[in-house]
Formats: sequence, C-alpha cells, structure tokens
Amino acid sequence: QVQLVQSGAEVKKPGASVKVSCKASGYTFTDYYMHWVRQAPGQGLEWMGWINPNSGGTKYAQKFQGWVTMTRDTSISTAYMDLNNLNSDDTAVYYCARSQPGGSPYGMDVWGQGTTVTVSS
Amino acid sequence: QSALTQPASVSGSPGQSITISCTGTSSDIGGYNYVSWYQQHPGKAPRLMIYDVSNRPSGVSNRFSGSKSGNTASLTISGLQAEDEAEYYCSSYTITITRVVFGTGTKVTVL
Repeated sequence: QVQLVQSGAEVKKPGASVKVSCKASGYTFTDYYMHWVRQAPGQGLEWMGWINPNSGGTKYAQKFQGWVTMTRDTSISTAYMDLNNLNSDDTAVYYCARSQPGGSPYGMDVWGQGTTVTVSS
Repeated sequence: QSALTQPASVSGSPGQSITISCTGTSSDIGGYNYVSWYQQHPGKAPRLMIYDVSNRPSGVSNRFSGSKSGNTASLTISGLQAEDEAEYYCSSYTITITRVVFGTGTKVTVL
C-alpha cells in the first residue's frame, strides 16, 4: 500500500539544525510532488513548501525561504526537509505529504506519521 | 500570506447536516478552483476529504461535499456521525510566493 514513513523524534538546542526524512513506498516516488507541513502544539497546519522528486525543483513558503532546504534521493525514494537555526517556535510535528493523483498538485492525499521536533535549551 | 478564515467551532446532532466555511481572497480561493479540505483527529495526521473544491478521493464517504462561491469555500457534512467529530482544515492554492495556505481550523462537535 502507499505509505510515507518518517524518521523519529528529535530534540535540538536553539541554533541547531534538524533533518527529517520521509521514505515513500507503494508508488512511483518521482510521479508526485512531496509537501512538507508543520503543526505547532495546539495550533493549526502550516505549509512549508514542496519538492518535485523528479526534477528536484522546490518551492518554499515565503516565511521559510533561506531557512529550509528540501531535497530527495530517488535511489531510495526518500525526501528530506532540513531546517536550520532552530528556535523554540519551531517546536512542532513535521509532516511530509504526497500531492494527490489527478487534478491539481495542491491537495495532499497520503501523509507520513509525523516527526516531533522539540527545540529546548 | 494570512491564513484562510474558518469558524472556530461548529456543532450538530447525529443525523443533521453542518456546513463549515472557509474565507479567503481573490488571490486564493476566489481566483482558483484548488481548495482542499482535511479532517484531523487528535494525535493523528490529517486526512484528505475533498480536493479541487468538490472532488472526493476514493474511500471518502459521499456524506462529505465541497463547494465554492466567490472568495468562500464550504464543506458540508450530511448525516452527521459521532466519528465525524474532529478538527477540519481548508487549504487553497495562492498566487503569492507561498503557494499553499491553510485555514485556521474548525472544531466539529457531535452533540
């Protein structure tokens, strides 16, 4: 079945970086965009950006430009999200999500289980 | 880019219909038919319920329907069931640098 499996929880100090992975299975990895979305505790969803796994092209939300890097390794069907210079406001659950087949790429039909990133001194 | 505006909460009794609104601008909802809706139960990942305004993914009950008028999109849940109690988020493509924007979220309570 189609599945996205993310890396485990992380605890980071302020100023550090974190890299979250998202391994896809059950479909052709390069056929669908991969979105990254985060959710702070008790808060709503926030779109961070996406990567086209076929070309490696990316589009980042304005807030995250210069601060986030999304990459992929097609040989192992894995997408990565790298966020640097972390502060306490970056404490959140980070999700990868596949763009839905058919129609526009802006809907997300399969989601990873989420990776909790805690930033604390 | 500001979040799309949703009511904080909506409630209904089992069997009733409820509608959740999602208000944006001509730069997002009003300009494009790329509105999606997600259901999220506590501690779980979101689930896609509607995409491109009114399309249901395979496996989603036909009790869920989406529509749009001007700068406002709507999600209607008919025949409300206990399992529908969750947080619901809309999202839309936006012409701004940030390509996708989410709504503020609506807590649906089944009375």
